[in-house]
Amino acid sequence: DGGITQSPKYLFRKEGQNVTLSCEQNLNHDAMYWYRQDPGQGLRLIYYSQIVNDFQKGDIAEGYSVSREKKESFPLTVTSAQKNPTAFYLCASSGRAGNTDTQYFGPGTRLTVL
Amino acid sequence: GENVEQHPSTLSVQEGDSAVIKCTYSDSASNYFPWYKQELGKRPQLIIDIRSNVGEKKDQRIAVTLNKTAKHFSLHITETQPEDSAVYFCAATRGYSTLTFGKGTMLLVSP
Repeated sequence: DGGITQSPKYLFRKEGQNVTLSCEQNLNHDAMYWYRQDPGQGLRLIYYSQIVNDFQKGDIAEGYSVSREKKESFPLTVTSAQKNPTAFYLCASSGRAGNTDTQYFGPGTRLTVL
Repeated sequence: GENVEQHPSTLSVQEGDSAVIKCTYSDSASNYFPWYKQELGKRPQLIIDIRSNVGEKKDQRIAVTLNKTAKHFSLHITETQPEDSAVYFCAATRGYSTLTFGKGTMLLVSP
């Protein structure tokens, strides 16, 4: 999991602003994922991508957008349409698209809306 | 879709005791069951996993058991130590699908 980086570590946003969270991996993994973590809620899937230039909505995609232009990168944009964006955001990757490979997590970004 | 229930939500034990965390899943086609440990403010880290063709797997003080008939799997930690204190998450998935996580168990090990 040391090959997955997220930036920034902490992010503060004013209401009405869009912000983009970065996720990069050098593990040559095909699949990448974004999760949101709230206290007592576990990890909830926002978006995932199993191959470059393709991605699918997870359970809580509303108010978020993603792109997958490169295999190494899977940025997440939190838009102003997301009603309660304050949370801990985790990016993960796994080796082979469409297989039950282990997911490895990045260190996370803590987003706070002021 | 898959639904994973995890119990208990909190678990307090004395150092040296054993701890058991249980999860149930709904999709009988699920075939991969990882367990993650997350320390406060850190990323989840895989500690052990099991596939549906195996009933039990052990790694030092940690073991996982799987009962496919009952659709439940459990994490067993023996000889607990204070550094085992963390939140533990179970998850389940089947091929070509995404992981579904339980809501987590906060384990507190008192010296």
